Amino acid sequence: DQQVKQNSPSLSVQEGRISILNCDYTNSMFDYFLWYKKYPAEGPTFLISISSIKDKNEDGRFTVFLNKSAKHLSLHIVPSQPGDSAVYFCAASARVDNAGNMLTFGGGTRLMVKP
Amino acid sequence: DSGVTQTPKHLITATGQRVTLRCSPRSGDLSVYWYQQSLDQGLQFLIQYYNGEERAKGNILERFSAQQFPDLHSELNLSSLELGDSALYFCASSPGQARFGELFFGEGSRLTVL
Repeated sequence: DQQVKQNSPSLSVQEGRISILNCDYTNSMFDYFLWYKKYPAEGPTFLISISSIKDKNEDGRFTVFLNKSAKHLSLHIVPSQPGDSAVYFCAASARVDNAGNMLTFGGGTRLMVKP
Repeated sequence: DSGVTQTPKHLITATGQRVTLRCSPRSGDLSVYWYQQSLDQGLQFLIQYYNGEERAKGNILERFSAQQFPDLHSELNLSSLELGDSALYFCASSPGQARFGELFFGEGSRLTVL
């Protein structure tokens, strides 16, 4: 049972255009969402996050939008650059009784930005 | 460089064997997490330790076990290995419980079971 889904395994965009990566979740207990970026042969690195009390968070070229009613979030990259080519993982966090942190990750979307 | 060190980077072994993966967290981080990434799959949470104690558990097989030592490094032990255990195993760390914070990932240990 995939609680966090990234339905597009890959996405190709032209340099300078907008990249939109989507993520859907099913667990209504998720209240914090993160995006990680992963280059080949490296571990994932944190990109941007959003709390469920917000519907938008912006950091430079990266903006995350959250639609709680649709259980959907998206990552917008504007303008896209070739260096953005990587695998992007959506992740979600829910409060657990023992205060541990069990981030649930989506399957990832491979973004290719063409020069 | 995230500051999280994982060894070995690559490991090839046979079915039925046992291996140990090691993780040194960032200096000062108390939490260590283990994730498994199978081919073209997302990261599956295995287990979290905080200051030596188990704090959260995911879909970790009974053949797998982990611990966090007093110096805060962690080891993931995989036994009775099967072909399906071939995967990238990531360790991550965070200063505290990281409910609302980021995790810092190591480069991963690639396990191949033949």
